[in-house]
Amino acid sequence: ETMVTQSPATLSLSPGQTATLSCRASQDIGTTLAWYQQKPGQAPRLLMFYASNRATGVPARFSGGGSGTDFSLTISSLEPEDSAVYYCQQRKRWPDTFGQGTRLEIK
Amino acid sequence: QVHLVQSGAEVKKPGASVKVSCWTSGYSFTTYYIHWVRQAPGQGLEWMGRINPDNGATNIAQNFLGRVIMTRDTSNSTAYLELPSPKSDDTAVYYCARLWGWTVSGSSDIRDFWGQGTALTVSS
Repeated sequence: ETMVTQSPATLSLSPGQTATLSCRASQDIGTTLAWYQQKPGQAPRLLMFYASNRATGVPARFSGGGSGTDFSLTISSLEPEDSAVYYCQQRKRWPDTFGQGTRLEIK
Repeated sequence: QVHLVQSGAEVKKPGASVKVSCWTSGYSFTTYYIHWVRQAPGQGLEWMGRINPDNGATNIAQNFLGRVIMTRDTSNSTAYLELPSPKSDDTAVYYCARLWGWTVSGSSDIRDFWGQGTALTVSS
């Protein structure tokens, strides 16, 4: 199984700042990686697919990058509504696996 | 418009079978895999497996082999997740999802849709 490790576990930032979230896969997954945002009581929402492609309706403040084993999600000009847990997911190697999540707090 | 709508919350005693439904609409049901994802209370997302609605073939993650059954009914575009003998640590929210990636025939698909989740509580 391909392990996916996210860091940091928690990130506390202020509105207007930039958040950088990291995701590392235990083996080469190319760019077959997605980022999801999950708010309390809601289903996950796809933000990025194939590492750097924004899903429909996702603001340009969200950007993703990386390939192979190291990936990042950058959220610029943070807004209070960005408070959520963010998960990365690899779909290159069976079974699909998710990272353990990064909790982003905007204070 | 694509919709995945799941059945309501369940409370079960250990060992009492439970079946979660995922009604789909707005697209060709047999073209896209349906995946099941579990989220235990306060925990992260765990991929359980998928079903090919076209032929009923399933791929189930090792952690769930022998513990869950995935089926579908093409006549009403519905996928099902059954836990024949749940334990207390199966208490979780279960999501069905049509994940980004590819169709059952291998064509690329960049859209992603999730059900609202079904909360299962297993307690004596």
